[in-house]
Amino acid sequence: GAVVSQHPSWVICKSGTSVKIECRSLDFQATTMFWYRQFPKQSLMLMATSNEGSKATYEQGVEKDKFLINHASLTLSTLTVTSAHPEDSSFYICSARDRLAAGYEQYFGPGTRLTVT
Amino acid sequence: GIQVEQSPPDLILQEGANSTLRCNFSDSVNNLQWFHQNPWGQLINLFYIPSGTKQNGRLSATTVATERYSLLYISSSQTTDSGVYFCAVDLNQAGTALIFGKGTTLSVSS
Repeated sequence: GAVVSQHPSWVICKSGTSVKIECRSLDFQATTMFWYRQFPKQSLMLMATSNEGSKATYEQGVEKDKFLINHASLTLSTLTVTSAHPEDSSFYICSARDRLAAGYEQYFGPGTRLTVT
Repeated sequence: GIQVEQSPPDLILQEGANSTLRCNFSDSVNNLQWFHQNPWGQLINLFYIPSGTKQNGRLSATTVATERYSLLYISSSQTTDSGVYFCAVDLNQAGTALIFGKGTTLSVSS
C-alpha cells in the first residue's frame, strides 16, 4: 500500500526557534499534500493544503507567515514552524493522495510531535 | 462547511463483544474513510468506503451515501482494538482535504 513518512517523529525546541517537518510519499507521487494539527484528546484539524509548484492554501485562522509550507517536488512537502512558542506544541500529521489512483483515498504519515519549551 | 458527527463518543466493551460505530455527514462526498488511531498517534487506514459495504477480517463497514451515514462494525472485539476511531469525509470536489469527525474512543477490557 501507499506509504507516507514524516521526519522527525518528535522534536523538542526552545521558544523562538524554527522547526522544519518533512512529509514524503515513498511509493507514489502526490500533487497535493495536506497538513493537519491534533491537540491532545481532540480530532485532526486541517491547517493547509500544499500544492506542488505553487503556494499553499491555508485554513482560516492559520497564520501563513508562521507555518511556512513548501511543496518542492511530487514526493516532498515541508512545514516550517517559525518562531515557535509553547502554544504551537502539538501533533502535526500530513497526508497525501496518489495522483494516479482512480479514487480519492488518502494516506497519512505517522505524525510529528512538537514540544516547544 | 460539511459537518461530520460520530457516535457514540465513548464505548467500553468486554473482550469478545460486538460494536457498531456511526458516522453521519451533512453533504454528498467523494471520499469517506475510517481510521484507527493507535496509541502512538498513527492513523491506520481501515476502509476507503464512499459507498457500499466492505469487510476486512473482524471489521466491516457500510456507507449509505444517499442517506449520508456510514457504519463501522467490530466483531469479537479484542484489547488491541482499543483506541480512537475516526470517520473522515471530503468535500464533493476532487483533491480536497478530509474533514474529520470527533472520533469514538473505544476501550476493550479483558
